[in-house]
Amino acid sequence: QVQLQQSGAELVKPGSSVKISCKASGYTFTSYDMHWIKQQPGNGLEWIGWIYPGNGNTKYNQKFNGKATLTADKSSSTAYMQLSSLTSEDSAVYFCARSGYYSFDYWGQGVMVTVSS
Amino acid sequence: DIQMTQSPASLSASLEEIVTITCQASQDIGNWLSWYQQKPGKSPQLLIYGATSLADGVPSRFSGSRSGTQYSLKISRLQVEDIGIYYCLQAYSAPRTFGGGTKLELK
Repeated sequence: QVQLQQSGAELVKPGSSVKISCKASGYTFTSYDMHWIKQQPGNGLEWIGWIYPGNGNTKYNQKFNGKATLTADKSSSTAYMQLSSLTSEDSAVYFCARSGYYSFDYWGQGVMVTVSS
Repeated sequence: DIQMTQSPASLSASLEEIVTITCQASQDIGNWLSWYQQKPGKSPQLLIYGATSLADGVPSRFSGSRSGTQYSLKISRLQVEDIGIYYCLQAYSAPRTFGGGTKLELK
């Protein structure tokens, strides 16, 4: 069965960077886009961007240009998102989600990133 | 960017009641519309894709419809386990955009 297993919660300092992971199993990792979504506490969902692991192509929401960097490791079927120059506005839960038919069909459990000194 | 205007923002309904949530797209997105349910502390779960197709394992009391650029999610007989927050998503173009969410509560 398709599973997306994300890394654990992170507590990081302002100005630093963090890299979170999303390990895929149960399907051919290189055949589906992987999307990343941000959810601030009590707020809705915001799309960050996607990566196609087959060739590494990426597409970002302009709002996250320079903030998020998406990569993928085909050998371990793992997608990564690095967030840089962290501020309190980056404190959120971050989800990875597989691109399905007209949808995001499978989601990871989410990673809570807390930015605090 | 395509704006997805979701309504209502919150909704209180009784068990067995019919519930309808709508999303209005700011431009034509065809059938590139999906619906999700999110429960507290959990990730969103796909309910409807392609505007009208039921995702695997989703109860048949959920249905989706489309009229032009307006999309609707209907719960035919509300159950306790349906309580949560519902979102629509347009996957027609980048940036992907979500509706603002509808918080569904029991009356």
